[in-house]
Formats: sequence, C-alpha cells, structure tokens
Amino acid sequence: EVQLVESGGVVVQPGESLRLSCAASGFTFEYFAMHWVRQAPGKGLEWVSLISWDAAYTYYADSVKGRFTISKDISKNSLYLQMDSLRPEDTALYYCAKAGEVGYSFGNLDSWGQGTLVTVSS
Amino acid sequence: IVMTQSPLSLPVTPGEPASISCRSSQSLLHSNGFNYLDWYLQRPGQSPQVLIFMGSDRASGVPDRFSGSGSGTDFTLKISRVEAEDVGVYYCMQSLQTPTTFGQGTKLEIK
Repeated sequence: EVQLVESGGVVVQPGESLRLSCAASGFTFEYFAMHWVRQAPGKGLEWVSLISWDAAYTYYADSVKGRFTISKDISKNSLYLQMDSLRPEDTALYYCAKAGEVGYSFGNLDSWGQGTLVTVSS
Repeated sequence: IVMTQSPLSLPVTPGEPASISCRSSQSLLHSNGFNYLDWYLQRPGQSPQVLIFMGSDRASGVPDRFSGSGSGTDFTLKISRVEAEDVGVYYCMQSLQTPTTFGQGTKLEIK
C-alpha cells in the first residue's frame, strides 16, 4: 500500500524558514515524479512544485519561485520542500503527491498524503 | 495555462446526473495523442483523490458512474447518477505544461 506522510508544519514568523518532509513507502520512490500542492484555509488547491523522478528537473509556481526548493533523497525514500522567506500568504495545508506513471510523466497524482499545516504569522 | 471550471456550485438530487465543465486557455492535447487533463475529488476533511486521468481514463477503484470526456481545451466530468458519497469539491488539473495548474473547484452538494 502506497503511503505518503508529511511532517514539519509549524507556526513561523514572516521571513523565517522551514523544511517540510514527506516520507514515502509502498512503491519504488526513485521511479516517480513527486509534487507539493498546497491549500490555503477555505481555498482551492494550488500547485507548488514538482521534481522529476531522477531529480534532473524541478519546477515551481511563480508565487514560490526563488524562495522554495524541492528535493528528494532516495536513500531515505523522502521528499522535501525547503521554504525560505516565508510570507503570510504561504499559510496553507501542504500535501505531497505522487505522479501515477514512472519516468517523465507528471500527471495523474494517484496518491496524496494527509497534509501538514504551515502557518506564517507574526 | 489557466483552467476555468463551471459551475462553481452544483446542487444535485441523488440519483440524478451531474456534469462539470473545465476549459483550458491552451490546448492540452500532446503530439502523442493524449490530453494531459485530470479530475480530482476532495471530499470534506479529506485529501484529494484522482478520479480521471489523461482526460478520460478512470483511475483504479473509481466507480464507473464517473466518466471524463473532451479534448484540446474543453473537458467534461460526468456523474451518471449522483450518490451521497459524491459530495465534495471537484478539480480539474493540467499537467501538459509547468506550472501545473488547477481549476477553481466545483462544489457538489446534495439537494
């Protein structure tokens, strides 16, 4: 059974940094692209970032480009999101999600974690 | 690519059909013949789950009352007979180009 478990969400002040983690199990982590998707309270889904299966390619939403960095560690079956220069508008539930096909296929997010809550407030 | 869903709110009587439209600002049809358009359902208090991928392929375990159709820039999610468990917010998402983008969401509620 595929499992994705996010952690690291806390309350931080504007301008601070935070690293989110997503522990993956139940599938061959190194073969699949992975995403971060966030959801502000009461709002819709917003795609944040994507890393290809081999980590050769990373992509970001314009709203986080230059501030967030996605990475993966296949030895730990873990996905990360380093979040710097946090802003109040980054407050959201952050989900990690797995692409449905191996290789350079980025859609069909067939497994999602339960999310970890990041609150940016002074 | 901007994704636009309609309607944003959809009250439906159980047993009746329902339909949600998703339009993209650019064609989602790849040269390989596939449309890079997915549909997701987020039930209240839950994480999203994929219903349809590549425009019309039903995800594993999804009831056959759900179907996806369309190509290019116009897509539709249809529920043949709505059940109580179908309540939630439905999102379309394109993965043809980065940044990946979601529609605003359509909230389905039972009348």
